Amino acid sequence: GAVVSQHPSRVICKSGTSVKIECRSLDFQATTMFWYRQFPKQSLMLMATSNEGSKATYEQGVEKDKFLINHASLTLSTLTVTSAHPEDSSFYICSAPGLAGGGNIQYFGAGTRLSVL
Amino acid sequence: QKEVEQNSGPLSVPEGAIASLNCTYSDRGSQSFFWYRQYSGKSPELIMSIYSNGDKEDGRFTAQLNKASQYVSLLIRDSQPSDSATYLCAPQFGAAGNKLTFGGGTRVLVKP
Repeated sequence: GAVVSQHPSRVICKSGTSVKIECRSLDFQATTMFWYRQFPKQSLMLMATSNEGSKATYEQGVEKDKFLINHASLTLSTLTVTSAHPEDSSFYICSAPGLAGGGNIQYFGAGTRLSVL
Repeated sequence: QKEVEQNSGPLSVPEGAIASLNCTYSDRGSQSFFWYRQYSGKSPELIMSIYSNGDKEDGRFTAQLNKASQYVSLLIRDSQPSDSATYLCAPQFGAAGNKLTFGGGTRVLVKP
């Protein structure tokens, strides 16, 4: 199946710093990618839809200025957590849709565990 | 509010038994349905997709869909300890494009 690469897998940073997470579709093009956040023992919550060549679409309650999304090419989307604080510590996961088995399948990256001290 | 409901579990099953997971969803416009497995600390991996009413089998997994009842289920036959994970139900709501809405997940524990 299709592969989505996410980097880094783990980040530990000090409060107030910015952290960039990359999501790449390795063997297919993705005009759309999705960014999720998952807190311990909770399900995945969609943060935003990343659109190639245009602005991201954010879900209700997600701060656009804090979670900057850039989708500059058909294979790369980045999420930057600006001025990170301990409450931003979470598991961030990206996904990209690809065609398989007659439908659109979401392929997930391995996730990035962010710990803000 | 579009919702996906799953029993959080844990669903404890003996090795070799059948694990039965259920999911209900609120959006009648949903056309595509997915089951993902998520191990602790890992990202979700696709187990099954189903688009039509009825059953779909893939190895030890069977997905069942009933759109009229807004219900989708997953059966795991001959459960193995390696099946111990959280199973996420994810309908693709009709007007949401490629977006998935995840249920809270059902934690499955397979005991040797």
